[in-house]
Amino acid sequence: EDQVTQSPEALRLQEGESSSLNCSYTVSGLRGLFWYRQDPGKGPEFLFTLYSAGEEKEKERLKATLTKKESFLHITAPKPEDSATYLCAVRLSWGKLQFGAGTQVVVTP
Amino acid sequence: EPEVTQTPSHQVTQMGQEVILRCVPISNHLYFYWYRQILGQKVEFLVSFYNNEISEKSEIFDDQFSVERPDGSNFTLKIRSTKLEDSAMYFCASSGDRDETQYFGPGTRLLVL
Repeated sequence: EDQVTQSPEALRLQEGESSSLNCSYTVSGLRGLFWYRQDPGKGPEFLFTLYSAGEEKEKERLKATLTKKESFLHITAPKPEDSATYLCAVRLSWGKLQFGAGTQVVVTP
Repeated sequence: EPEVTQTPSHQVTQMGQEVILRCVPISNHLYFYWYRQILGQKVEFLVSFYNNEISEKSEIFDDQFSVERPDGSNFTLKIRSTKLEDSAMYFCASSGDRDETQYFGPGTRLLVL
């Protein structure tokens, strides 16, 4: 069965304290892995797409990496405005995304 | 920057009533999707739509659900007879092609009483 598991469920960071979020997946025929940011009561906001092992994408304080079994979202020197739930999703077929449960990140000043 | 819009932002309805959730996808996108997120749970795929046809649907998307593109800009999700368990946030998404990034709207919060 296709599965997407994110860890940890929640993460509390001090401003400037770098950390990594994990997304492990067991799918047959990965057609892309996606990272989204979701603020409370809002829709997922696209961050990155990764397609093949070894690929890396970077945007401001965020960097996403991909291996054959997992992806990491690294947050470098986070700021309070980086507080959000970060969602990982894999595309199983052409179109359908399967989401993980997310990691809720709180960054305190 | 182009974005997906959804109306209404909130909808309260009585069990058994029909609701229609509306979405305006990004204008040059051809693939459209509905997802839902029950409070505190994962975002779940409901249906994908292309060329006026359903491409794929999940087990959740039973006969009570239907989708339509009534004109060149709107994409709708209809729930014929709502149940308490339909209470959730419903997200519309669109992509330019089936292997491209899906961009999500802000969602409609549906509460069934």
